Amino acid sequence: DAGITQSPRYKITETGRQVTLMCHQTWSHSYMFWYRQDLGHGLRLIYYSAAADITDKGEVPDGYVVSRSKTENFPLTLESATRSQTSVYFCASSDGGRGSEQYFGPGTRLTVT
Amino acid sequence: EDKVVQSPLSLVVHEGDTVTLNCSYEVTNFRSLLWYKQEKKAPTFLFMLTSSGIEKKSGRLSSILDKKELFSILNITATQTGDSAVYLCAVEGSGGSNYKLTFGKGTLLTVNP
Repeated sequence: DAGITQSPRYKITETGRQVTLMCHQTWSHSYMFWYRQDLGHGLRLIYYSAAADITDKGEVPDGYVVSRSKTENFPLTLESATRSQTSVYFCASSDGGRGSEQYFGPGTRLTVT
Repeated sequence: EDKVVQSPLSLVVHEGDTVTLNCSYEVTNFRSLLWYKQEKKAPTFLFMLTSSGIEKKSGRLSSILDKKELFSILNITATQTGDSAVYLCAVEGSGGSNYKLTFGKGTLLTVNP
């Protein structure tokens, strides 16, 4: 299906476990982004990528790792999950440049127990 | 550090009312301001504004940007219950080398029948 998808949509994990959230887009957009959304904080940028093999930190990168070996995929890994990482995670993509809106995936609700 | 402040944080109105949502910002090298609507899912794009004084309009929604005073407003006329959502404002700045958005915390609009 065309668009931007995320998997899993819901995940419960335990403290200390490694978790990977997947993001896939079919538009061949250059830019991809990971956000977390928490009550009282709004959407905060974790990492972003301008192209394959180019990634950069956002506002709240600690505890997360990203990679982008292919343009269409941008997985986010929590190396050792903590309760403070319980959140809704959104992936987004854009074709970049000035005046390019971001399109959001459906989100992954992650609970760390 | 880029900053976006939205007001009010929440608003309750009756169907048919007109509402104005506010967004003020501080950003390094402003490029654009975007409005998104978020119901109980991913944010969906509404408007992108890059120039002062030019109103963007879509049906009952309209938005305008003031780059001198560093704010934008989103107007919704003749509100309907389907307008109930969180409205997010984001600014694109070119701090550093890349293009990324900073989001405000959003305005929760509730439209009662």
